[in-house]
Amino acid sequence: GEDVEQSLFLSVREGDSSVINCTYTDSSSTYLYWYKQEPGAGLQLLTYIFSNMDMKQDQRLTVLLNKKDKHLSLRIADTQTGDSAIYFCAEVSAGNQGGKLIFGQGTELSVKP
Amino acid sequence: EAGVAQSPRYKIIEKRQSVAFWCNPISGHATLYWYQQILGQGPKLLIQFQNNGVVDDSQLPKDRFSAERLKGVDSTLKIQPAKLEDSAVYLCASSFNRGGNTIYFGEGSWLTVV
Repeated sequence: GEDVEQSLFLSVREGDSSVINCTYTDSSSTYLYWYKQEPGAGLQLLTYIFSNMDMKQDQRLTVLLNKKDKHLSLRIADTQTGDSAIYFCAEVSAGNQGGKLIFGQGTELSVKP
Repeated sequence: EAGVAQSPRYKIIEKRQSVAFWCNPISGHATLYWYQQILGQGPKLLIQFQNNGVVDDSQLPKDRFSAERLKGVDSTLKIQPAKLEDSAVYLCASSFNRGGNTIYFGEGSWLTVV
């Protein structure tokens, strides 16, 4: 079955790098996503990676995909207090004809000044 | 480009009452999703539409939840009668087509059942 796991909390100091990790079980995953959710808000699409890639960089964000270990990570360089939020990893699998997202439980990132 | 619009943003109702949420997807997006997000958890799909047809409603509690997308654009999600465990954020999302690589979410409708 499809399952996505994330650690629940991460605390870093402003200016440091943050690394948020995610593991998934479905080897037929086609796209993997990172969403950001601030308090009281919906989900903001940060970035996504196609399963035939192993890295994607977008400004301060770097996504690494290890397909063999079914491990995805999001690195935020020079983390700012405005990056404090919950980060969700999600996947879409090839076997899922509807294209629905399967989410992890979210990682709460706390950035201390 | 306007994003996914949802209303109302907040609703408090008593158990056994009914509530309806409305969603207007991004213009031109054929696929529309309703997700339920309980506090402290990731969102879970309730129902997915492709145009005005249902693609997946396997996780929708059909004894109390219903949803429609009559003209293939706007959608409504209804809960009747509500239970305490229905307290959650109801997120609407849309994408250009199913299996598309960009799925955009609205701000959510926050429901508290007391």
